[in-house]
Amino acid sequence: NAGVMQNPRHLVRRRGQEARLRCSPMKGHSHVYWYRQLPEEGLKFMVYLQKENIIDESGMPKERFSAEFPKEGPSILRIQQVVRGDSAAYFCASSPPGAGLASEQYFGPGTRLTVT
Amino acid sequence: GDSVTQMEGPVTLSEEAFLTINCTYTATGYPSLFWYVQYPGEGLQLLLKATKADDKGSNKGFEATYRKETTSFHLEKGSVQVSDSAVYFCALSDLTGANSKLTFGKGITLSVRP
Repeated sequence: NAGVMQNPRHLVRRRGQEARLRCSPMKGHSHVYWYRQLPEEGLKFMVYLQKENIIDESGMPKERFSAEFPKEGPSILRIQQVVRGDSAAYFCASSPPGAGLASEQYFGPGTRLTVT
Repeated sequence: GDSVTQMEGPVTLSEEAFLTINCTYTATGYPSLFWYVQYPGEGLQLLLKATKADDKGSNKGFEATYRKETTSFHLEKGSVQVSDSAVYFCALSDLTGANSKLTFGKGITLSVRP
C-alpha cells in the first residue's frame, strides 16, 4: 500500500507565477490536510478537506490560496501570483473515513516551493 | 488558541547518551499529545502518542508522559543511536471540535555522534 504521495517534490516559481501542488492520499483515505512549514518554524495547519468538500480552511491565507479535493484525482493546493514569502515546505496528510484521532494522519514527503 | 512550545535546538549528543527534549502546551480543551519524527528528505512519522493525563506513550525506546499538572509532554530516551538523528516535533490535537487538525511545535534537530 503506497503512502501519501506529493508532487512535485521541488518546485521553483518566479514571482507572479502560479504554483500547483498535488497530493494523492493513501488508498482508502478520504480526509486530506495541508500544512505549511516556513523556515525555522513548525508546521502550520492550512486546510482540511474531504472528498469534494472543504471542512476547515481557517489556516488558509485569505487571498491567492485555494485548495480542492475532487471526487476523482489528487488534492490540489493552488497558489496564485506567488511571492517570495510563499517559499516553504508544504506537507499533505491523509486519514481514513471516520478517523477521530489525529494520530491516524499519515504524512507525505512534502513539496519544497522556492519563489525567486 | 492552542499552542506547543519546544526547547530551543539543535541538540548534539554522543551515541548512548541520555536524551530529553522538552515540550509544553496550551490548550482550551482536552488534547491528545504526539511526538512526530522527520528523517532527512522524508515526511513526518508518528513516533508516539498519549490521549489522556498520565498516559505514557512509548516506541523504539522513546517515552513521553502526558503531565496535565505541568502541561508537558517531554520526550526521553535512555541511550540514543546515530540512527535517531532527525527532527522531532511535539504536537497536539484538540478533539473537542469536529476537526482533528494538529498544532505543532517548531521542531528540534537532534544529531547523534558515533
